[in-house]
Parts: sequence; C-alpha cells; structure tokens
Amino acid sequence: DAKTTQPPSMDCAEGRAANLPCNHSTISGNEYVYWYRQIHSQGPQYIIHGLKNNETNEMASLIITEDRKSSTLILPHATLRDTAVYYCIVMIRDDKIIFGKGTRLHILP
Amino acid sequence: EAGVAQSPRYKIIEKRQSVAFWCNPISGHATLYWYQQILGQGPKLLIQFQNNGVVDDSQLPKDRFSAERLKGVDSTLKIQPAKLEDSAVYLCASSPRGGTMETQYFGPGTRLLVL
Repeated sequence: DAKTTQPPSMDCAEGRAANLPCNHSTISGNEYVYWYRQIHSQGPQYIIHGLKNNETNEMASLIITEDRKSSTLILPHATLRDTAVYYCIVMIRDDKIIFGKGTRLHILP
Repeated sequence: EAGVAQSPRYKIIEKRQSVAFWCNPISGHATLYWYQQILGQGPKLLIQFQNNGVVDDSQLPKDRFSAERLKGVDSTLKIQPAKLEDSAVYLCASSPRGGTMETQYFGPGTRLLVL
C-alpha cells in the first residue's frame, strides 16, 4: 500500500505557482520522498526527490518539513503542459516504486 | 536518445483470448520493468528483470501472465487467457544497471480492452 496521502485533485491558474501537498507521517529515516508525474496517455516521468533537505531542479522544487512527515512539490510557473497526475512516493532508494492514486492537477487558462 | 518503445499502442480482445505486448528498452539499460495501470489507479509493478533474469515477479498473476526477456534486451508480456479485469494500460520501463529510481524511464504503454 502507498505510504502517502495526497488530495485527489487541485486547480491552479496558468502562470501561478502550483503547490502540491503530500503527507507521509510514517516515513522512516532511510526513506526518500520521490515525485513523479503522468501526463495523459504517457508513462510516468521522474520529477525530483529528496531525503531531508529542500531540493530544486529545472522542473520543480521540493520542500520537506523538518519532521519529514509532509512535503510540498512546487511548480513555480505552471503552464497548461503541467496538467497531469502527480504522484508522491516514499521509498528506500533502489526499492520498487509503489504508486498511489496521486493528485490530478488541472492548470486553468 | 531513443526512449522506451512499446507495441501495440492499443489492443481490443475478447475474454479468454490471448494477447502479447512487446517492449524495447533504452539501449544499454540492464533493468526492465512491466507495470499494470488500471483506470484511476497508479501503476503496479508486475515483474522486474535484471538482464534476462527475474528479480521480482511477486505481483505477477502467474496462472495467466508470463513474461520473458530473451538476450537481455527486448521483452514480451503475455496474457493467456485474458479476463475482463485485465483491461488496463501495460507500461514498460527501463533503467541502467545500478541505476536509481530517478533513472527509470517509462514507455507510452499499451492500452488493453478485454470485452
């Protein structure tokens, strides 16, 4: 079973920052937080991951709370192409991925 | 760099028929995965290969599903006989030897409808 809780859907206006929350209150010390997204009719795509520190790459930023029980994925300037299902996954690195149902993000023009 | 290729993209069959899916991973990738994604759910791992050996097939319904990866490159996933509940998207993914989850790349999937 997935170890995370995400809202089933969210809306965000184009050009604004999209903040996707994820709760993982039972996370273990050696488990990472991974984010993937799946655009319609495509396979999942890796976005970002982190252990304790906040992370940023060309796609997004990942903010992990100090107690590591929750995190937020931030898409700084959302575009229509960011409409997708976003999966938050907690796992030991190199373990198999267990996907939950994710958050369906709608970017509104 | 070419991505993971899958064929066919769509398949419609009747229950109790057989069906096979093909996957060509990214060149040089040692690890290959097959996932099943039922509508409205996240993908579920069915089987993982390292070269041509099976690493994990704990979620594969072995009474009807089979998979092989001859020569450690291409792979086929077969369902025989198909049931209505097998209707899903079947995703193939690959990663390099020693790769981590961030280097797992997915194909576009094969959408199966069982009538």
